[in-house]
Amino acid sequence: AQSVTQPDIHITVSEGASLELRCNYSYGATPYLFWYVQSPGQGLQLLLKYFSGDTLVQGIKGFEAEFKRSQSSFNLRKPSVHWSDAAEYFCAVGSGGYQKVTFGTGTKLQVIP
Amino acid sequence: DTGVSQNPRHKITKRGQNVTFRCDPISEHNRLYWYRQTLGQGPEFLTYFQNEAQLEKSRLLSDRFSAERPKGSFSTLEIQRTEQGDSAMYLCASSLAEGGNQPQHFGDGTRLSIL
Repeated sequence: AQSVTQPDIHITVSEGASLELRCNYSYGATPYLFWYVQSPGQGLQLLLKYFSGDTLVQGIKGFEAEFKRSQSSFNLRKPSVHWSDAAEYFCAVGSGGYQKVTFGTGTKLQVIP
Repeated sequence: DTGVSQNPRHKITKRGQNVTFRCDPISEHNRLYWYRQTLGQGPEFLTYFQNEAQLEKSRLLSDRFSAERPKGSFSTLEIQRTEQGDSAMYLCASSLAEGGNQPQHFGDGTRLSIL
């Protein structure tokens, strides 16, 4: 069965600092990987996705993620965090076919001035 | 692209009552998904439709839950005889089927509170 681990429940960074959110997945075949962001009381917005090809993927809002098969990881990065990035971030893995998606438990990001 | 729309945004009801939620997917999307999200957790898959056919149901979807997508457009999720444990955010998502690698687009959810 596919699964996702996000080891950090909460992360606090200063505005302007760099950010890396960790994600490890478990899946038998080539995974489809996603990062979503959720603001309080809202649905999930897709930041970026990896299906194949270049292992460094660019997303919206200046985010990027790198797929590392050897480490079963798909970490999310941003070089300079803005206060508006404070939200909860979910890593997810999808299977082929109808794209059943399994989410991690999320990492809540706090940005301090 | 008007996005995935869910109604109502909030529902408060007494234990034992029935509730129904509606999801309107992005118009050209033929796949529709329901998820449940409890506090501090990621969304958990409940069920999935391709057009009007319900193709998979999670074991989380007890017999008190029923979902329909009668014309392959909007979908409803009904919970009968609600229990305290049903309190959660119910999220709907939709996607295209072609290519097998289309991301899911989520609505803002319906937050259910059971008194």
